[in-house]
Amino acid sequence: NAGVMQNPRHLVRRRGQEARLRCSPMKGHSHVYWYRQLPEEGLKFMVYLQKENIIDESGMPKERFSAEFPKEGPSILRIQQVVRGDSAAYFCASSPDRSPNSPLHFGNGTRLTVT
Amino acid sequence: QKEVEQDPGPLSVPEGAIVSLNCTYSNSAFQYFMWYRQYSRKGPELLMYTYSSGNKEDGRFTAQVDKSSKYISLFIRDSQPSDSATYLCAMKNSGGSNYKLTFGKGTLLTVNP
Repeated sequence: NAGVMQNPRHLVRRRGQEARLRCSPMKGHSHVYWYRQLPEEGLKFMVYLQKENIIDESGMPKERFSAEFPKEGPSILRIQQVVRGDSAAYFCASSPDRSPNSPLHFGNGTRLTVT
Repeated sequence: QKEVEQDPGPLSVPEGAIVSLNCTYSNSAFQYFMWYRQYSRKGPELLMYTYSSGNKEDGRFTAQVDKSSKYISLFIRDSQPSDSATYLCAMKNSGGSNYKLTFGKGTLLTVNP
């Protein structure tokens, strides 16, 4: 039973390039969450998606960041025109439903480095 | 004041010691409390999950929630070197955004053999 799969594990981008982070939830899970972990900071909520819908993107910067979870395929977190401050670990989590009793299962993250 | 405060440590203990980790919080709407363990370069792994106040025990781990003091704890008995990791507390409310976890910064624990 595969867990949450994220790729790539490491991503290096130059300033101004685009970064695409992918997340495949656990089997049977249709709810996906993205969190960002900056150095010396805790995990911060970015966005919550269900299949084909963005439910809450309140934690995501308004500019340059976007997320999707299409009917087929993984969820994508896209960062356009990356800046050094975007360097962080980005974690995806999934759950079978949005019940508060449903625990979130996290992937091992994508570590983005902007040079 | 941050919503969730957690001493980052680091905390270093000998093998077999009892470890006490804790968090305080300011948002009285938090009803669900979790502890995650995160090994280096890995994702957080859920250890304990508690609803409202009270204690919960699972093997060597005990989680306590004191809502009146806005204080949660995780105790690890007979600590092992394999327990060396960062421990994150997390919480969420019971309202409309009950899917959103608010994390502490994490406490780095090292258990020395």
